[in-house]
Amino acid sequence: NAGVTQTPKFQVLKTGQSMTLQCAQDMNHNSMYWYRQDPGMGLRLIYYSASEGTTDKGEVPNGYNVSRLNKREFSLRLESAAPSQTSVYFCASSPLAGGKETQYFGPGTRLLVL
Amino acid sequence: GENVEQHPSTLSVQEGDSAVIKCTYSDSASNYFPWYKQELGKRPQLIIDIRSNVGEKKDQRIAVTLNKTAKHFSLHITETQPEDSAVYFCAASNYGQNFVFGPGTRLSVLP
Repeated sequence: NAGVTQTPKFQVLKTGQSMTLQCAQDMNHNSMYWYRQDPGMGLRLIYYSASEGTTDKGEVPNGYNVSRLNKREFSLRLESAAPSQTSVYFCASSPLAGGKETQYFGPGTRLLVL
Repeated sequence: GENVEQHPSTLSVQEGDSAVIKCTYSDSASNYFPWYKQELGKRPQLIIDIRSNVGEKKDQRIAVTLNKTAKHFSLHITETQPEDSAVYFCAASNYGQNFVFGPGTRLSVLP
C-alpha cells in the first residue's frame, strides 16, 4: 500500500495563478483532510471530508476550495494564489469508523507563491 | 470553536531524562486527543492517542494522561534518546472531525 500520496511535491506560483493539489489514499478510509503548516507553527485545518460526498470548512478555508472526487481522492484548489498561501500543505486520511480516528498524513506539498 | 494551547514551545533534556509536554483545550465536546511527532522535513506521525473515556494510556516509553475536568492532557516520554528529538504536536477532535492542533513543542535530547 502506498498510503496517502500527494502531487506535486513542490510548486512555484505567481500571484493570481491557480492550481490544484491532488491527494489520494489507498486504505479505504472514509475521511480526508487538508492542512497547511507555516514555518514554526502547527497544522491548521483548511477543509475536511468526513465521508464521500461531504465537505466541511476547517479553521482557515478562505481562498481555497475542495472536491471529494470519490472515496480515494480529495483535491484542494487555489483559484487565485496569494503570497500568504505560501506554506507546506499536508493531506491526511482516517478510517473514522469503528472508533478509529487515527490520521495518516501524506508527504506534503511545498508551495511558494511569488 | 476549539482552541488548543501547548507548552513549552521548546524543551531541552539530557539523554535518559524524562520530558513532559502539556496541552489544554477549550471545547468540552472534544473526545479524541492524539499526539504527533514530526521530524524535520517529514510528515507528522501518530505516536499515541487517548479518548475521553480513558484517563491514561501507555506505550513503552511514552504515556499520555487526560484530565477531562480541567481540560488538559499531557505527553510523558521517559528515558529519552537522541532519536526522540523532533517537534511534537497535540491535537483535539470531536469524533475525528475538525481537528485542532497545538502550536508544537520542539524537543531536543542532548547526549
